[in-house]
Amino acid sequence: ETGVTQSPTHLIKTRGQQVTLRCSSQSGHNTVSWYQQALGQGPQFIFQYYREEENGRGNFPPRFSGLQFPNYSSELNVNALELDDSALYLCASSLATGSYNEQFFGPGTRLTVL
Amino acid sequence: GNSVTQMEGPVTLSEEAFLTINCTYTATGYPSLFWYVQYPGEGLQLLLKATKADDKGSNKGFEATYRKETTSFHLEKGSVQVSDSAVYFCALSERDDKIIFGKGTRLHILP
Repeated sequence: ETGVTQSPTHLIKTRGQQVTLRCSSQSGHNTVSWYQQALGQGPQFIFQYYREEENGRGNFPPRFSGLQFPNYSSELNVNALELDDSALYLCASSLATGSYNEQFFGPGTRLTVL
Repeated sequence: GNSVTQMEGPVTLSEEAFLTINCTYTATGYPSLFWYVQYPGEGLQLLLKATKADDKGSNKGFEATYRKETTSFHLEKGSVQVSDSAVYFCALSERDDKIIFGKGTRLHILP
């Protein structure tokens, strides 16, 4: 059984650019959540997708957007990058929604904005 | 709003020492509580969880008890090993699925 995978591993962008991060969920999981982990901080919830629809959003501006595809893989898009967007971006998948369903995390994508 | 506060690190202990990492939470309802661990170069892994008051979660020798009266979920281990060196995150989740994490506690175990 393949776990959650994310690509790319590392990424360097400049301020104002746009970026797309990708996540493949664990087999059989239909729910994907995205988190931002700044250096020395805990992860912060960005949003969740369930069966291709957004199912909850944290306190992030609209320039953070996402997609979920029919195979339940997901993308996180960030427009107009700012220096503070530099962070580790984590994707997590789960069997379904609901806090009783364990979220399995990928290794993350390290984004650096210069 | 909901939040999690955990003791700041780094925490440095000798092998076989007793470990406690304190965690308290604020929540409007009845959350599930978690401890996650992040080993160097690896993704976040669920270490243990408890879903209701007085539940004890346990895994790999680690334990934590859901204390509603003190809104706490302290992580303990009786005898730590060098391989336990990692960053530990206390977290909570309510019905909306969003996991709220503490800032993390870095643990160093010396041989």
